[in-house]
Amino acid sequence: DTEVTQTPKHLVMGMTNKKSLKCEQHMGHRAMYWYKQKAKKPPELMFVYSYEKLSINESVPSRFSPECPNSSLLNLHLHALQPEDSALYLCASSRTALAGGYTFGSGTRLTVV
Amino acid sequence: DAKTTQPNSMESNEEEPVHLPCNHSTISGTDYIHWYRQLPSQGPEYVIHGLTSNVNNRMASLAIAEDRKSSTLILHRATLRDAAVYYCILRDGNTGKLIFGQGTTLQVKP
Repeated sequence: DTEVTQTPKHLVMGMTNKKSLKCEQHMGHRAMYWYKQKAKKPPELMFVYSYEKLSINESVPSRFSPECPNSSLLNLHLHALQPEDSALYLCASSRTALAGGYTFGSGTRLTVV
Repeated sequence: DAKTTQPNSMESNEEEPVHLPCNHSTISGTDYIHWYRQLPSQGPEYVIHGLTSNVNNRMASLAIAEDRKSSTLILHRATLRDAAVYYCILRDGNTGKLIFGQGTTLQVKP
């Protein structure tokens, strides 16, 4: 298995809703990442997990809450989002935080209404 | 975070080689040079990476200047499926962070 799987593919949520994005990989990678990508812009790094521990938070607002329950799973919990948070959310993994290329998922297209 | 400079866009003809340039004059000794590409409506896809020596794989070749301040991604025979945004990125050798720049949009003409 050489893929990163993200669910759901599309999500529409209201500003008072709570939702979660899920990411899964079975390549034995020990680093996982969340990126946010707005239309026509490059991906922006949000969080880095290394060996299931949060190692980098790129000053992301607390309405985004990451979680890494085990080495294969990465979640992003969403609460009280704003319309400007609408974007493509990408998950990626790599062998470790310092080694190997990144494998990206296809992303979750999030719309906040 | 080390920065890279790439042309905004390039055009190529199908079945011809493509040379995508990247400048990274502030590269540090531990930074790896990574290339990714992103097709429309997809996540980025790893293409190739290197540190000092030129690298080849099934997708492309990476030519790294001797002073490491620039590199070139070479697609040997462009196909229509190679039309994408190509990102040249310096992966921070200390933190491992991959910070994307604006990239080069490659158009391939039949």
